Amino acid sequence: DTEVTQTPKHLVMGMTNKKSLKCEQHMGHRAMYWYKQKAKKPPELMFVYSYEKLSINESVPSRFSPECPNSSLLNLHLHALQPEDSALYLCASSQQVLNQPQHFGDGTRLSIL
Amino acid sequence: GESVGLHLPTLSVQEGDNSIINCAYSNSASDYFIWYKQESGKGPQFIIDIRSNMDKRQGQRVTVLLNKTVKHLSLQIAATQPGDSAVYFCAENEEETSGTYKYIFGTGTRLKVLA
Repeated sequence: DTEVTQTPKHLVMGMTNKKSLKCEQHMGHRAMYWYKQKAKKPPELMFVYSYEKLSINESVPSRFSPECPNSSLLNLHLHALQPEDSALYLCASSQQVLNQPQHFGDGTRLSIL
Repeated sequence: GESVGLHLPTLSVQEGDNSIINCAYSNSASDYFIWYKQESGKGPQFIIDIRSNMDKRQGQRVTVLLNKTVKHLSLQIAATQPGDSAVYFCAENEEETSGTYKYIFGTGTRLKVLA
């Protein structure tokens, strides 16, 4: 079982909907990440939070809005998504940003109708 | 015909044989590397890491080799088992202009273990 928990596991939404993806870890990690993964492709970094502050935004469209309410939680708010945003969204955490292995959740499979 | 990027490189090995998965990295300034295993329907799972001041690191049934001269990383799996079937990704760290770091993943290799 993964120590990074993501909910929901699956999500189907229309292009006008607003939804949120949630991620939780209780390992005391101070860095948390959102990745997007398309089929047969490697994970692509979207956002990095370090000590609850956004430190990297990989030029992600504003229809994706991250939030880090506390050191254990990471949310990704979704609004007005496009069909090409359908993918597996992975959350990860690590003790620090620098030179530490990241621990991944099993992701949320998102489908945009 | 096949299109580049639609199919992962695949390595097929007999159960019990050793597997070698290779990865070429691009940034000569990278000083930290990780191997991940991703099974179907799951997130990537950390296998082993290595820092640039080392050439080799061993774990349980796995060994990572780093050749900085040619910017090459390899993962060796001894006595490959059916449970090793998965997609394997290498990742290198990269420093941002802001001073923070991120990981860049390789394209991945699918390992198929034949009974």
